[in-house]
Amino acid sequence: QVQLQESGPGLVKPSQTLSLTCTVSGGSISSGSYYWSWIRQPAGKGLEWIGRIYTSGSTNYNPSLKSRVTISVDTSKNQFSLKLSSVTAADTAVYYCARTRSSSIDYWGQGTLVTVSS
Amino acid sequence: QSALTQPASVSGSPGQSITISCTGTSSDVGSYNLVSWYQQHPGKAPKLMIYEGSKRPSGVSNRFSGSKSGNTASLTISGLQAEDEADYYCCSYAGSSTFGYVFGTGTKVTVL
Repeated sequence: QVQLQESGPGLVKPSQTLSLTCTVSGGSISSGSYYWSWIRQPAGKGLEWIGRIYTSGSTNYNPSLKSRVTISVDTSKNQFSLKLSSVTAADTAVYYCARTRSSSIDYWGQGTLVTVSS
Repeated sequence: QSALTQPASVSGSPGQSITISCTGTSSDVGSYNLVSWYQQHPGKAPKLMIYEGSKRPSGVSNRFSGSKSGNTASLTISGLQAEDEADYYCCSYAGSSTFGYVFGTGTKVTVL
């Protein structure tokens, strides 16, 4: 059973960079034809896809966030990471990491709340 | 890349059937049979209920079914149960413009 766990600071100052890591357990991040994604959800609002990475390093990003997002992978640690630069209060949300299988997201982390505030 | 349109809320009595619609465009829902549906209970991560339009993952009740017509996908819950009360989101592959995904606006299902 694959499990994903987000980790990182819960509070980030405006204009700084949000950094989160997702640790995958129960299977190798390199096995199978999976993409590894980040999704976020502001309080009381809907889900927003941020981007995804393949273990080869190939990435795809949401066009609305593309200029500020970097997703990377460390196969030796079975982890992938998210960096979102120049954050504002609008980036306050629960951030989920997830495994993406072709067109669907079949495993999700529990989510981590990141608040942008001074 | 605009969010897919879902009704804000749908309700039904136990045992009834309800249908949630998810309207996109010819660039996403209409072009691919790659719509998935997620159930989210308060404070929890979403759970995959339907993928590739109509397929159910192992362990998901056959009371949940998916379909598509043109630019609109639908999720039907039959034999509505109290535990089905949750938020539901559709999601579609957004095509080669982004090679990414677009979610629906979400629907609150209330069991009366």
